[in-house]
Amino acid sequence: QQQVKQSPQSLIVQKGGISIINCAYENTAFDYFPWYQQFPGKGPALLIAIRPDVSEKKEGRFTISFNKSAKQFSLHIMDSQPGDSATYFCAASIEDNFNKFYFGSGTKLNVKP
Amino acid sequence: KAGVTQTPRYLIKTRGQQVTLSCSPISGHRSVSWYQQTPGQGLQFLFEYFSETQRNKGNFPGRFSGRQFSNSRSEMNVSTLELGDSALYLCASSFHGRAAEEYFGPGTRLTVT
Repeated sequence: QQQVKQSPQSLIVQKGGISIINCAYENTAFDYFPWYQQFPGKGPALLIAIRPDVSEKKEGRFTISFNKSAKQFSLHIMDSQPGDSATYFCAASIEDNFNKFYFGSGTKLNVKP
Repeated sequence: KAGVTQTPRYLIKTRGQQVTLSCSPISGHRSVSWYQQTPGQGLQFLFEYFSETQRNKGNFPGRFSGRQFSNSRSEMNVSTLELGDSALYLCASSFHGRAAEEYFGPGTRLTVT
């Protein structure tokens, strides 16, 4: 059973536009929801994360929106830039469960200049 | 501060052989986690070590094993390699093994022929 479902699989956005990636989870015990950015040939890098006690977290151009009742969370990239072109993964974990993350399937973002 | 390093970066093995991958965590980090990344299955948690003890493991067969040394460096071993073991193997480290602190290495690309 897939614990975290991510959509879309790929996304093309014009420079300056808004990129939106969505994730849904099953396990209500999850209490930590990070987003990772991965460039080709590199490992994932933590971008931004949220805990379920808040509905939104913003860091620069990146915002996580969290809907606990719907068991959904999303990443918004404002003013998308070509340098944002990468694969994005959402994940979920129980923070005391020793790094056992459940990852979404990834979204390949292409920002056109 | 040096990041997580993994060696080798690329490896080609034949079915039936065994392989050992190495991970050196960020200095001071005592927790090391391993993940397998494939196009079909995405990122999947293998196991986590802290102070030489395995604290958590994912749903992988016993052919996948690991260990951690007193200096926190970790190795993972895959015996009797199968074609389906071809993947990017990622190592991540953190101070305590809490999800919020984890940093990924660049991975080892294993190809099984």
